[in-house]
Amino acid sequence: DAKTTQPPSMDCAEGRAANLPCNHSTISGNEYVYWYRQIHSQGPQYIIHGLKNNETNEMASLIITEDRKSSTLILPHATLRDTAVYYCIVRVHYNQGGKLIFGQGTELSVKP
Amino acid sequence: SQTIHQWPATLVQPVGSPLSLECTVEGTSNPNLYWYRQAAGRGLQLLFYSIGIGQISSEVPQNLSASRPQDRQFILSSKKLLLSDSGFYLCAWIKRGSTDTQYFGPGTRLTVL
Repeated sequence: DAKTTQPPSMDCAEGRAANLPCNHSTISGNEYVYWYRQIHSQGPQYIIHGLKNNETNEMASLIITEDRKSSTLILPHATLRDTAVYYCIVRVHYNQGGKLIFGQGTELSVKP
Repeated sequence: SQTIHQWPATLVQPVGSPLSLECTVEGTSNPNLYWYRQAAGRGLQLLFYSIGIGQISSEVPQNLSASRPQDRQFILSSKKLLLSDSGFYLCAWIKRGSTDTQYFGPGTRLTVL
């Protein structure tokens, strides 16, 4: 699976959009980009995933560059409850039994 | 709807004692199951995964073992705990044939003294 690079931490003002970047320059054509988040002392929570088209759901939007070497997770109106560690994971759909390999993620702090 | 349970929620054990953590999934059948560990700070490490009853794959050599005695039950064990086994243990499952999204349990926080 392709490796990802994320900034270790970011701040965002409450009510503003939070844009979390992820670099995955070695991504292969059949690898998806997944985003999970982990609120302190809880299990990770799935947010969104995509292959090459931009995706949106009730939680967030995922913007993938045309060359697929990077992506951005957008939380349109961040709240204090969005404070968490956000993980970008790149892998083949249902690879090797569906394993997820987590990196260090980005610690997002939403401030009032 | 599907739910995943883990127990106990917290556990304090002395070094050298045995360990048994349990994970069960409700509302689905034949899931893939996973055990992760999170040591101090962030960084989840995949320990074991299982694609069926009695089928266990180990990701890293360690002091722990896993078993899957029933379709929706996944157990993490140790015969003798080490200090380094302290951490936050998370169980997860995946629904086959879906979007391949993993769903995590609430976790067990283990402290080995």
